[in-house]
Formats: sequence, structure tokens, C-alpha cells
Amino acid sequence: AQSVTQLGSHVSVSEGALVLLRCNYSSSVPPYLFWYVQYPNQGLQLLLKYTSAATLVKGINGFEAEFKKSETSFHLTKPSAHMSDAAEYFCAVSEGGLTGGGNKLTFGTGTQLKVEL
Amino acid sequence: ETGVTQTPRHLVMGMTNKKSLKCEQHLGHNAMYWYKQSAKKPLELMFVYSLEERVENNSVPSRFSPECPNSSHLFLHLHTLQPEDSALYLCASSQGSRVPGELFFGEGSRLTVL
Repeated sequence: AQSVTQLGSHVSVSEGALVLLRCNYSSSVPPYLFWYVQYPNQGLQLLLKYTSAATLVKGINGFEAEFKKSETSFHLTKPSAHMSDAAEYFCAVSEGGLTGGGNKLTFGTGTQLKVEL
Repeated sequence: ETGVTQTPRHLVMGMTNKKSLKCEQHLGHNAMYWYKQSAKKPLELMFVYSLEERVENNSVPSRFSPECPNSSHLFLHLHTLQPEDSALYLCASSQGSRVPGELFFGEGSRLTVL
């Protein structure tokens, strides 16, 4: 069965500082991995995804993540935090499509990112 | 309109009420999902529909009843709910399994059960 662990439910950084949000996964097959962001009172928006191509994945808003199979990790980074990055971030894993169609994503518990002046 | 639209955005109901949540997607996708988001818990997949057929029912209590009349619309009918059902209910859609995990979410319906 697939699972995701996000270390740190709250992360606080200064504006301009490096953002590092941690995600470790468990999967019985080569996984598809995702980061979603949720701004207050909104739904989830896809930031980036890993689908077995390049291990370093670039996403929107300057975020990127690196797939490390040996560490079963998919940490999210951004070199310089901006106030607008304050949101909740979710890591998710998928082992592929469902029989009959659709996809089954398993999400982590989320990490709330706070950006301070 | 574009994307995934959910109505109502906020709903307050008593435990004996019957209400429905509505989701509409304008992306031409063929799979739709209901997720439950509660504080300090991972998102819980409730139901998946593909081509209007239910393909996943994640042990959801029968007081939640989904309906998918066509590939663009998804409903969640609610009756005799419990206070612990208070949560944000998120609808999502995807184009089948072609891009695994590429789910597009609506803004959610915030449900409060009194």
C-alpha cells in the first residue's frame, strides 16, 4: 500500500530564505509523486509532479522537487521564499490508475508554510 | 466558466436535514472524485467516478450518497449527518489515467453539522 509522510506540520521561514518541505513516501511499485498547494479558502492546485522522467522536477512559482529513490524522498524546495508562498503544501503519491478508470492519490497530512518579514 | 466549480461554498445543516453538494467540471474530463478534508488529517478519498460509473467507494458511511448523472456533474447527497462529518468537501476531476494523479480541484464546500 502507498503512503506519504510529511515531516513538520508547520514550517516558518524568513522572506528571501530557502524553503524546504519534506516528504517521504512508501510504495510497492515505482510511484508517481506530486506536490499540491492550498491557499486559504481555496482548493488544491498542482505545483509539480514526478512521473519517472527527470528526477529533478520544476514546478510553478519557482518551486522544484527532487526524487531520490534511495531515500524514498521527494522534498520540495524554493531558493527564496516570498510572502505569497504562505499556504499549506501537500505531498501525494499514486501507484497508477484505478481499475475502471480514474486515479487514486494518497495525500500526506500537509505542511503549513509561514513566511515572515 | 473554467475549471471545477463547487456549490454551495458554505453549508450549515442540522443532523436531521437533507442537503446536497454539487460539483461541475468544465475541463472535458471523464473521472470525478469526492475528497473529505478535516483538520489535522490527510485528505480522505471518498468516491471516484469514471465515465459515470462508480469505481471506488472508500468505506464511506451510507449517510453520504454520491450521484454522477454525466461526466461533467457530480453530487454528494447528505442526510442524517453527524457533527464529526463537519469538514471541507473537495471535488476533483481528471482525464482518466492518462496523466496519473493530474487531479484538478474545486474550491470546496465547507460543511458544518450542528
